[in-house]
Amino acid sequence: NAGVTQTPKFRVLKTGQSMTLLCAQDMNHEYMYWYRQDPGMGLRLIHYSVGEGTTAKGEVPDGYNVSRLKKQNFLLGLESAAPSQTSVYFCASTKSGGSGANVLTFGAGSRLTVL
Amino acid sequence: AQSVTQPDIHITVSEGASLELRCNYSYGATPYLFWYVQSPGQGLQLLLKYFSGDTLVQGIKGFEAEFKRSQSSFNLRKPSVHWSDAAEYFCAVGPTQGGSEKLVFGKGTKLTVNP
Repeated sequence: NAGVTQTPKFRVLKTGQSMTLLCAQDMNHEYMYWYRQDPGMGLRLIHYSVGEGTTAKGEVPDGYNVSRLKKQNFLLGLESAAPSQTSVYFCASTKSGGSGANVLTFGAGSRLTVL
Repeated sequence: AQSVTQPDIHITVSEGASLELRCNYSYGATPYLFWYVQSPGQGLQLLLKYFSGDTLVQGIKGFEAEFKRSQSSFNLRKPSVHWSDAAEYFCAVGPTQGGSEKLVFGKGTKLTVNP
């Protein structure tokens, strides 16, 4: 009964390096989301997916790419990391996200530092 | 565009004291309203939600919130705070038109509990 699992939990990158954050959920949820959390900014949506094989841009998508090849996994990629991408990244999922009434289940977060 | 304001960035209370965290929203209609809590190093967890009906809603851990349409507010309350309530609290607004990708979070209120 793991819920939403994010890996890695911590990562330090140098400017220009690439990396992928993995989000895995075992609740058979259709919708998945990637947020970033910065001090004093709350959570901002990067990308989301409404089902396997689909992705869409959120509020702050620049510099990130995503893929949802399997229903249970949602990957967030940084092709060329920049210091502005230093943040805590949260993955979330929900059974059916077609309504604003849905409750999100969050992972524990991945802290990324770009030097 | 919808928005959420949490006027207090940081609140400190003594253990056993009462607590009220403020949340104001801007939206064309009555939205779906949520309070999430983030304990240190953890993801967000739902405390309570309001969709319709009784304007006083009960949540987990002894929290409650009251929806006041006239004030566009959804303040969170607890009669007696415990040390384990120290966390960051986020108010969120979900749209009545569209999906969870349009969920908007406030910037959060950090709660410190003194012994």
